[in-house]
Amino acid sequence: GAVVSQHPSRVICKSGTSVKIECRSLDFQATTMFWYRQFPKQSLMLMATSNEGSKATYEQGVEKDKFLINHASLTLSTLTVASAHPEDSSFYICSASRTGFNQPQHFGDGTRLSIL
Amino acid sequence: QKEVEQNSGPLSVPEGAIASLNCTYSDRGSQSFFWYRQYSGKSPELIMFIYSNGDKEDGRFTAQLNKASQYVSLLIRDSQPSDSATYLCAVNRGASYGKLTFGQGTILTVHP
Repeated sequence: GAVVSQHPSRVICKSGTSVKIECRSLDFQATTMFWYRQFPKQSLMLMATSNEGSKATYEQGVEKDKFLINHASLTLSTLTVASAHPEDSSFYICSASRTGFNQPQHFGDGTRLSIL
Repeated sequence: QKEVEQNSGPLSVPEGAIASLNCTYSDRGSQSFFWYRQYSGKSPELIMFIYSNGDKEDGRFTAQLNKASQYVSLLIRDSQPSDSATYLCAVNRGASYGKLTFGQGTILTVHP
């Protein structure tokens, strides 16, 4: 199977703190990874597409200076929420897919971020 | 029209029944179709994917695709209470790097 590891699973911190979330593909190489945010009782919202060795592609309305994405290797992408505020509290989920057409995305377990 | 639309829920079926989840998509160029299950508070997990017209079976799950009608469905046979979750339909509209467009999800409840 395709395993995607994400951590931490939960973060509680004060307003103004920067939070880093890691996403790793454990048994396959992922040229592309995706970052989603999900608010309670809502569907997944794609934030950005993370491309290994190049800049991330952000969806409309997502602040690239607020949500910093780095995809330094074929197995690791990181999302840093800069100077997080209470409105950034949400469930953040990463996914990765094998290189190739029509490959499914496999999701990490998600990170529940709570900003006090 | 939404790009990917799922039948409005919630859907409630008795244990042992067949649950039918439906999804329509607007882009005729869509190439591949995925069903994910998401339990409350958890991340989505892949159940099935289908690329070609027709049926694809995996255990109690059957995915059906009709590209002419732009319709994909998921049937769950012998539904169990553990199948109670939100089911997400996702469509790859032809992006080679795997970007998916998700439906809003259908909440399924299987009652004993």
